[in-house]
Amino acid sequence: GAGVSQSPSNKVTEKGKDVELRCDPISGHTALYWYRQSLGQGLEFLIYFQGNSAPDKSGLPSDRFSAERTGGSVSTLTIQRTQQEDSAVYLCASSRTPEQYFGPGTRLTVT
Amino acid sequence: RKEVEQDPGPFNVPEGATVAFNCTYSNSASQSFFWYRQDCRKEPKLLMSVYSSGNEDGRFTAQLNRASQYISLLIRDSKLSDSATYLCVVNMMGYQKVTFGTGTKLQVIP
Repeated sequence: GAGVSQSPSNKVTEKGKDVELRCDPISGHTALYWYRQSLGQGLEFLIYFQGNSAPDKSGLPSDRFSAERTGGSVSTLTIQRTQQEDSAVYLCASSRTPEQYFGPGTRLTVT
Repeated sequence: RKEVEQDPGPFNVPEGATVAFNCTYSNSASQSFFWYRQDCRKEPKLLMSVYSSGNEDGRFTAQLNRASQYISLLIRDSKLSDSATYLCVVNMMGYQKVTFGTGTKLQVIP
């Protein structure tokens, strides 16, 4: 079946611009996660959605970062006024159980 | 103390060798444990779940030691294709949010 998809696969933006990253989870998966991974580093948890519950935003690094999940399916991660330190791969994962399935990620480069 | 800790490595081993990684976790309420594999510039992929009784999948064996709060991954007869970063993942009962370790890098050398 279809896995987790993310778009765009690559995004180059200028410092100060806003970006939106999209995640389409596996159908039927109630949980959705966003992570960030800088080059050579581990996964950094950003935000977690579970069904209709309030999201766990404890990992968002600043108020420039926000995320939505509409209709319990597609999610959008928005970064406002991008900075060079936001450059990283942004990974989305979904699950029905604790086992997570990852999308291929969006590689964001802020110039 | 970090919730999940792993030796970052790298572990450089010759083909055919046996190699083992450990991962320690701090929360004794943790209930579910997993090993993921991440290839360079790729997304993590589930390698195997870790059951209380331990489990084996081909050349890979995972064990859980609740008393000492660690899980292990043993790889026998290492292949060049096993070169990757291995991520330990821990979950508390009743929660789907999990905690990833920072990974152990394995390099299998010809």
